Amino acid sequence: EPEVTQTPSHQVTQMGQEVILRCVPISNHLYFYWYRQILGQKVEFLVSFYNNEISEKSEIFDDQFSVERPDGSNFTLKIRSTKLEDSAMYFCASSDRLDSSGELFFGEGSRLTVL
Amino acid sequence: EDQVTQSPEALRLQEGESSSLNCSYTVSGLRGLFWYRQDPGKGPEFLFTLYSAGEEKEKERLKATLTKKESFLHITAPKPEDSATYLCAVLRGNQFYFGTGTSLTVIP
Repeated sequence: EPEVTQTPSHQVTQMGQEVILRCVPISNHLYFYWYRQILGQKVEFLVSFYNNEISEKSEIFDDQFSVERPDGSNFTLKIRSTKLEDSAMYFCASSDRLDSSGELFFGEGSRLTVL
Repeated sequence: EDQVTQSPEALRLQEGESSSLNCSYTVSGLRGLFWYRQDPGKGPEFLFTLYSAGEEKEKERLKATLTKKESFLHITAPKPEDSATYLCAVLRGNQFYFGTGTSLTVIP
């Protein structure tokens, strides 16, 4: 069964360092998302991406965040200068259509710990 | 402000003891309400989509229902493998807004 894969599964970094989280969405999907979940809190929308550009972003997704689809398979989230409060689980998700079906396919997540 | 509230935060059931989880929402322009299951350390897994009041969906021991203000996830005769966090989300525009979830533990 096709799945969304994310790497790394866990990354520990020092405050101020740059981090890149990688995702391989399901191959025929066109819509890509990043969500994050701080421990014990709700899953929060960060950004959606379609047709090689950001289609929507939340207020969390400030100038230190960026997304890229460098080739036909990878979808990356870069955090330029990490802060302690960026520690969270980051989930990538993809969908084959932008309607109200709601079936987002999530990856297993990348746990980011900022020290 | 748009809100999705789930209750209870945590629920412990004996195996076979049926119960319901609640998701109430205040969202304008709702395009759908969704239930996901999340196992510890994993990403959410899609369960159901509900579009309009009165709609019901079923899958194995789970049944989701929707009214104009809330949704219920009914769990009939749960088994230990149903233990997970159940997330409710609403779609407004192209953004999904998640609740904080109900952590369900089913004791053998």
